[in-house]
Amino acid sequence: QVQLVESGGGLVKPGGSLRLSCAASGFTFRDYYMSWFRQAPGKGLEWLSYTSNSGNTIYYADSVKGRFTISRDNAKNSMFLQMNSLTAEDTAVYYCARVVVTMISRWFDPWGQGTLVTVSS
Amino acid sequence: DIQMTQSPSSLSASVGDRVTITCRASQSISRYLNWYQQKAGKAPELLIYAAASLQSGVPSRFSGGGFGTDFTLTISSLQPEDFATYYCQQTYSTPPYTFGQGTRLEIK
Repeated sequence: QVQLVESGGGLVKPGGSLRLSCAASGFTFRDYYMSWFRQAPGKGLEWLSYTSNSGNTIYYADSVKGRFTISRDNAKNSMFLQMNSLTAEDTAVYYCARVVVTMISRWFDPWGQGTLVTVSS
Repeated sequence: DIQMTQSPSSLSASVGDRVTITCRASQSISRYLNWYQQKAGKAPELLIYAAASLQSGVPSRFSGGGFGTDFTLTISSLQPEDFATYYCQQTYSTPPYTFGQGTRLEIK
């Protein structure tokens, strides 16, 4: 079945870096756009970044632009999020999701189970 | 950026009730509107895509409607497993793909 599994979360000090991974299975990874989201404790969902299937087209939310870098390795069915200059405001559960694009709309399905990133001294 | 205004922010209802959640976009987004359900401690799950299309495996008591700026999610007869938080999301044109603030559906 289609599955996404995030990893790489943990506790990091302010100003530090962390690299998240998203491992995909059950579908042809290279054919799909992919995206990262996050959810701070007790808060709503926030879209972070989006990559085309080739990795040539990338977008970022203003809140992470210049600090986070999305990438993918289609040979390894994996996507990554390199997070630098982390602050307490980056504390959240981070999710990856597959993007489905059609002529009339686009949506995100499925989502991974999430990985928790805690930024604290 | 397109702003999404979801209402109500919380809702108390009973099993068997019919409930409707609304979502308004700050500009026309055609049918680029999705609805997700999130249960406590779990990842979001897609319920409705393209404003009115039911995702495979989602019970038919869920339905979506709307076009342009005004959208609805309706649950025709609430079941115990439906008590969760619901989010709308617009995916019109280029990112950012913004969410509504969420509707927490609680048992009365």
